[in-house]
Amino acid sequence: NAGVTQTPKFRVLKTGQSMTLLCAQDMNHEYMYWYRQDPGMGLRLIHYSVGEGTTAKGEVPDGYNVSRLKKQNFLLGLESAAPSQTSVYFCASSYSGAFEQFFGPGTRLTVL
Amino acid sequence: RKEVEQDPGPFNVPEGATVAFNCTYSNSASQSFFWYRQDCRKEPKLLMSVYSSGNEDGRFTAQLNRASQYISLLIRDSKLSDSATYLCVVTPSFYNNNDMRFGAGTRLTVKP
Repeated sequence: NAGVTQTPKFRVLKTGQSMTLLCAQDMNHEYMYWYRQDPGMGLRLIHYSVGEGTTAKGEVPDGYNVSRLKKQNFLLGLESAAPSQTSVYFCASSYSGAFEQFFGPGTRLTVL
Repeated sequence: RKEVEQDPGPFNVPEGATVAFNCTYSNSASQSFFWYRQDCRKEPKLLMSVYSSGNEDGRFTAQLNRASQYISLLIRDSKLSDSATYLCVVTPSFYNNNDMRFGAGTRLTVKP
């Protein structure tokens, strides 16, 4: 039982490049989330999903897209990376809204 | 004004000390409240939920004051292993309980 896993763990991009972050969970959770964490700021919700095939915007969705084609996977895409997207990205899953969220180990992304 | 505000610390305390953290939130409609713990360069993990009547889990006590819009976390008999950042988490409303708002965290260091 791996819980929530994220791929990759680290990545360095140049401005304008694209990439996809993969999140996978094996707890059969309906809800999945993508956050970013920056120094001095709390985790901020980028996008979330309440079930397979559904996605919704969170607090800071601009510059990101997501897809939830399978219940266990939630993908976060950056189409044209900018230095402002340098951050630590966390994926999380939960049984339902306002329930305990289980987080992945994070992806450290640097955009030069 | 941030939706969820915490004293960033750091709080440096000796082993065995009692330490308390407060967290204020701006949205009076907030419904659910949590404390998460985050170790250095790791993912957040749920420490405890905060109930209206207050709740205790071993050395940890959480309380909610809706009138003044703050929650608190009390740690008694601090251990070295309690050293971490403590995140206050609030859901804005009953109808939007997916959009959890995180405080920036309070850092605690327990010293021998």
